[in-house]
Amino acid sequence: AQKITQTQPGMFVQEKEAVTLDCTYDTSDPSYGLFWYKQPSSGEMIFLIYQGSYDQQNATEGRYSLNFQKARKSANLVISASQLGDSAMYFCAMREGWNTGTASKLTFGTGTRLQVTL
Amino acid sequence: GAGVSQSPSNKVTEKGKDVELRCDPISGHTALYWYRQSLGQGLEFLIYFQGNSAPDKSGLPSDRFSAERTGGSVSTLTIQRTQQEDSAVYLCASSPLRAGGFSYNEQFFGPGTRLTVL
Repeated sequence: AQKITQTQPGMFVQEKEAVTLDCTYDTSDPSYGLFWYKQPSSGEMIFLIYQGSYDQQNATEGRYSLNFQKARKSANLVISASQLGDSAMYFCAMREGWNTGTASKLTFGTGTRLQVTL
Repeated sequence: GAGVSQSPSNKVTEKGKDVELRCDPISGHTALYWYRQSLGQGLEFLIYFQGNSAPDKSGLPSDRFSAERTGGSVSTLTIQRTQQEDSAVYLCASSPLRAGGFSYNEQFFGPGTRLTVL
């Protein structure tokens, strides 16, 4: 079974509008972390935002916010006031296990390509 | 400071040849990860290092793949007898290993090595 599912292969949004990118996850571990990364056409992976499974509030980072619905196992990324520079691939990822200071791999979804239009 | 660097940026090789891919992590980052991204796909975990040891090699696709890390710094991913299905972008990431809930140890990615096997 897929651990991270991103059901939107591509999305369009007009400049200055808000957009939600969907992510659902599957884990039996009560301790986990969820990450969103942006990958522009240049190829580098840019960390955007993080949500821990025990965090009480939804994470926010500038124009990015994470709509975390634990019971539904979803962690959707919301980008407000879209800009042309937001056009990129967006990946949702999960780390299982509590952050005890040990290394742990990320499991990635297949990504959503976002195109911001004028 | 300097980010994660990888070399070469592009590598074209013939089927059956061996290749070595290099990763220089961010100074002081204890953890180092290798991922593979095939065309249009998400990232696939290969291996990670904590210091010089590799607690999780579960993502290595076959025994043709190996990796080492020396001095807690530079890592080399070696692919022996390359096959066409090895063609992909190989991404390296590093992270600090701070314990605790607010220290989510995000992974910082390098620009990748694009490997093409003819």
